[in-house]
Amino acid sequence: SQQGEEDPQALSIQEGENATMNCSYKTSINNLQWYRQNSGRGLVHLILIRSNEREKHSGRLRVTLDTSKKSSSLLITASRAADTASYFCATAHMDSNYQLIWGAGTKLIIKP
Amino acid sequence: EPEVTQTPSHQVTQMGQEVILRCVPISNHLYFYWYRQILGQKVEFLVSFYNNEISEKSEIFDDQFSVERPDGSNFTLKIRSTKLEDSAMYFCASSEVGGTGVSPLHFGNGTRLTVT
Repeated sequence: SQQGEEDPQALSIQEGENATMNCSYKTSINNLQWYRQNSGRGLVHLILIRSNEREKHSGRLRVTLDTSKKSSSLLITASRAADTASYFCATAHMDSNYQLIWGAGTKLIIKP
Repeated sequence: EPEVTQTPSHQVTQMGQEVILRCVPISNHLYFYWYRQILGQKVEFLVSFYNNEISEKSEIFDDQFSVERPDGSNFTLKIRSTKLEDSAMYFCASSEVGGTGVSPLHFGNGTRLTVT
């Protein structure tokens, strides 16, 4: 099955800096979603961008989607220590109504 | 804010034993899911459930697995005869409408299953 891939695998930045994570996928999608996972906890939905959208904002988060390149990026501006977590992209594919295909995640560390 | 709750948070079982993982989805949600995450690996879809029946399942969800909504609030995952490779974090999720094409998933904090 096709799977999303995030890069980088790990990212360590200073508090206040911006963090950018990328995701690539292989097949046509209905939407792409970003989730956050704190260590040992569940996945928290951050943002959903539909295949006909190119950019979406939510607070300090900005997500872009380029369906021609089959890629997405998640930008967190003015990072905070509390943003330390793993970030996953998940794609909802056109041939499935219910299944999300997940990337391996980017582990983000914000240094105070 | 309503949340998905899972119990137990950690389950240790011996190989060959049956386990039941429990979940209480958000009350007005109609779609329910189980995912698992083996340590250090990707999140994997197991099954989705809607209108009291399985709507989709993955290759992982073989005859050893079953799901049930025994009452109006609980949603359970049963593994009939556990194997070592079933050791993973199991996440329950629910969504309000329309499956993954429309709405995001709300996840519980997971049950860490350890098979010895």
